Amino acid sequence: GQSLEQPSEVTAVEGAIVQINCTYQTSGFYGLSWYQQHDGGAPTFLSYNGLDGLEETGRFSSFLSRSDSYGYLLLQELQMKDSASYFCAVITGGFKTIFGAGTRLFVKA
Amino acid sequence: GAVVSQHPSWVICKSGTSVKIECRSLDFQATTMFWYRQFPKQSLMLMATSNEGSKATYEQGVEKDKFLINHASLTLSTLTVTSAHPEDSSFYICSATGTSGRVNNEQFFGPGTRLTVL
Repeated sequence: GQSLEQPSEVTAVEGAIVQINCTYQTSGFYGLSWYQQHDGGAPTFLSYNGLDGLEETGRFSSFLSRSDSYGYLLLQELQMKDSASYFCAVITGGFKTIFGAGTRLFVKA
Repeated sequence: GAVVSQHPSWVICKSGTSVKIECRSLDFQATTMFWYRQFPKQSLMLMATSNEGSKATYEQGVEKDKFLINHASLTLSTLTVTSAHPEDSSFYICSATGTSGRVNNEQFFGPGTRLTVL
């Protein structure tokens, strides 16, 4: 079967750093992506890791360890607008993407 | 960046009618398009994958005769929900990937279509 595990909810304060973990078990793996989705909106692409290591894009960083079937999204200098749902997603064969259940991030003042 | 549009953005229909949703890539050629369904506060569930000029590949549990997908050109895919029922009410989202997006496997998502079946 295919499964992705990530926390359902995370709460943090403005300016803080938060890490959202994702573990996966899939048949076929090409890479791990992260998407952000605000309520009522469509998902927007944040990052992709095809190889082990850390990818940094501004305030967001993403990490992958293929041997551990594990990755995380790191958000720094949190802002209120970062309150949203964050999905990890595994890319399998044929660019098919399997999404995790999502983590709702609440950023408090 | 690449832009994907969907039409309509929302639709309300009576039970038993059919609804067509269009997904267009506006500034790139989408070799592959995906259709997802998302219920409130849940994840995106992949319904089917469509490649231009070929039949769509449906995920297990998705009725191909109920959810008709056509990918007639490199910029347009349509999803038709046939004989819609209230349980089909959901947020339908398409995404597309082209040759440029395959550098990082980025999918470009449309804004979604909210379907309500009365």
